[in-house]
Amino acid sequence: SYELTQPPSVSVSPGQTASITCSGDKLGDKYACWYQQKPGQSPVLVIYQDTKRPSGIPERFSGSNSGNTATLTISGTQTMDEADYYCQTWDSSTVVFGGGTKLTVL
Amino acid sequence: QVQLAESGGGVVQPGGSLRLSCAASGFTFIDYGIHWVRQAPGKGLEWVAFIRYDGSITSYADSVKGRFTISRDNSKNTLNLQMNSLRAEDTAVYYCAKDRAQYCTGGSCDALDIWGQGTMVTVSS
Repeated sequence: SYELTQPPSVSVSPGQTASITCSGDKLGDKYACWYQQKPGQSPVLVIYQDTKRPSGIPERFSGSNSGNTATLTISGTQTMDEADYYCQTWDSSTVVFGGGTKLTVL
Repeated sequence: QVQLAESGGGVVQPGGSLRLSCAASGFTFIDYGIHWVRQAPGKGLEWVAFIRYDGSITSYADSVKGRFTISRDNSKNTLNLQMNSLRAEDTAVYYCAKDRAQYCTGGSCDALDIWGQGTMVTVSS
């Protein structure tokens, strides 16, 4: 079965740029999307179709996808961005999530 | 506004059954596929099942195939998940989530753009 691999944790200082990667076989041939989940809350879609932001998502969130790796980039990271982030794609008519990355802003 | 609201969670013994429901509002329910996604305590997201906008096609994760059944009633804007032969490892918060693609026929739809608040299912003796 298809797998997406994310680093368990990423740390960033406030105001700096955070990058979270998501790796999968030929992931660049598929669409990738990203979700943010804060403790006790439901996931929120922050990037879809590799690079697009839903309405209401700040411009500091951006995405890319090429080769075997999709990347979520948060520019000018704020303390409110501290959360778990999950990548997701479709494979063989099923949805696949990455294992999640805990972003710490300190 | 666009909303999904799950219900039906609770405590059930191993081997038992439970039926979850998801009520949709604020969008044209019949136009969109819907998913169930679960999250075990302290763990990541796990996709469970998907049903096409018209209910004609369903797909399941291997971990629940043959035990869970997803269905929808487009006349009532509701989604259901019938869970049988429950195991301890099914313990999780269960979310329903709307697929972003309109009239997606399955295979490869889009991102999950609207999520419910979740309902907790605990399988324990």
